[in-house]
This record gives sequence, structure tokens and C-alpha cells, in this order.
Amino acid sequence: NAGVTQTPKFQVLKTGQSMTLQCAQDMNHNSMYWYRQDPGMGLRLIYYSASEGTTDKGEVPNGYNVSRLNKREFSLRLESAAPSQTSVYFCASSDPGLVSEQYFGPGTRLTVT
Amino acid sequence: AQKITQTQPGMFVQEKEAVTLDCTYDTSDQSYGLFWYKQPSSGEMIFLIYQGSYDEQNATEGRYSLNFQKARKSANLVISASQLGDSAMYFCAMREAVFNQAGTALIFGKGTTLSVSS
Repeated sequence: NAGVTQTPKFQVLKTGQSMTLQCAQDMNHNSMYWYRQDPGMGLRLIYYSASEGTTDKGEVPNGYNVSRLNKREFSLRLESAAPSQTSVYFCASSDPGLVSEQYFGPGTRLTVT
Repeated sequence: AQKITQTQPGMFVQEKEAVTLDCTYDTSDQSYGLFWYKQPSSGEMIFLIYQGSYDEQNATEGRYSLNFQKARKSANLVISASQLGDSAMYFCAMREAVFNQAGTALIFGKGTTLSVSS
């Protein structure tokens, strides 16, 4: 039981390059999320998917796209990376409901030069 | 307006002492949940404790307890008998019941860095 997995763990991109961050969960959760963490800012929601087939913008969606490929997988794409997207990216999943804990992946540390 | 406010960027405590990490929140919802997560230097997010808005008793999990004061909209984390391994960043987070832009996502505070010394 791996929980939430993310690939890659580290990535360096040049400005303008594109890449996709992969996330998968094996807990049969309906809801999945992408956050970014910047120093002094806490975690901010980029996009979320309340259930398979639906995605919605969070607090900071600009410059990103997402795909909920199936119930297990939720990917985050940077079409044209910018230095402002240098951050640590976390994927998370949970059951719906007020009391449900969110389970986090290990994070991807992305640097855009 | 900030939904979750953690006013202490850093806290310092000696081993075996208790420490309180502050968290205030803002919501007009009657039904919500409050969470605390720990992030050690290795980077993973570890769930610590949960408090529901209708829970009458303060939540406790081992050395962690949540001092929930609903009228003051505060949900402070109390760590008793601090250990060196408690040194980490701590995040307070909230989930609201009503559908909002964030759906069922958690809204996080900016965190408090706790340093425990021997």
C-alpha cells in the first residue's frame, strides 16, 4: 500500500520548457489535489478534482493545467515554465467529507532557471 | 482575507517542556473541520490531529492536543513533553462544509517553525 506517489522527486527546467508532474493514489479516494509550497506562504491550492472526470481551479491556477486520467491518477502540467513556478509541489488525496484526512505525496522540488 | 492565521513564524522550546502553537481561523460556515500537520525537514506532510466544529471535547492524540475555542475562532495545538524529534514546521488547516472554490480542499496557514533544544 504505497499511499500517494509522485514523480519525479526533483526537476530542473529552463524557462519556457514544459513538463508533467505525475501523481497516483491507491486508497480509492474520490478527491485529489495539487498544492504548491513556497517559503513563508504555506501550501496553496493549484487545482483539485472532487471526483473522476471533474477538475476545478484553486487559489493559484495560472500557468498550470491538470488531467484526472482515472480515479487513481491526477497529473499537473506546466506548459511553459517560468521562474515564478520554482516551488515544491504536493499532490494529495482524500475521501469527501468534513472529517477526512488528506494524504500527501512526498513532493516534487521544481527549479525553473 | 486570510482564512487561517498562524502568527508565530518561529517558536523555541526546551526538551520536556510543553509548547502551544497558535492558530486562528475565519469562516462563516457552522460546519467545518480543523487539522494540524507536521512537516519535518525531510519534507513530508504528517497528519497530527483533527477537530470538528461540533465536537464538544478538545481533540487529543498522544502528546498532541487541540485547544479549541469556537467563540474566539482559535484552534491552538499543544505539544506536551517536547522531544527533539518535534522540531519541524507545523501547519494549521481548515476544511469548510459548504462548497466553495476549493471544494473539499484544505486551506492552510503559513506555518510555524518549532525548534526543540536539549
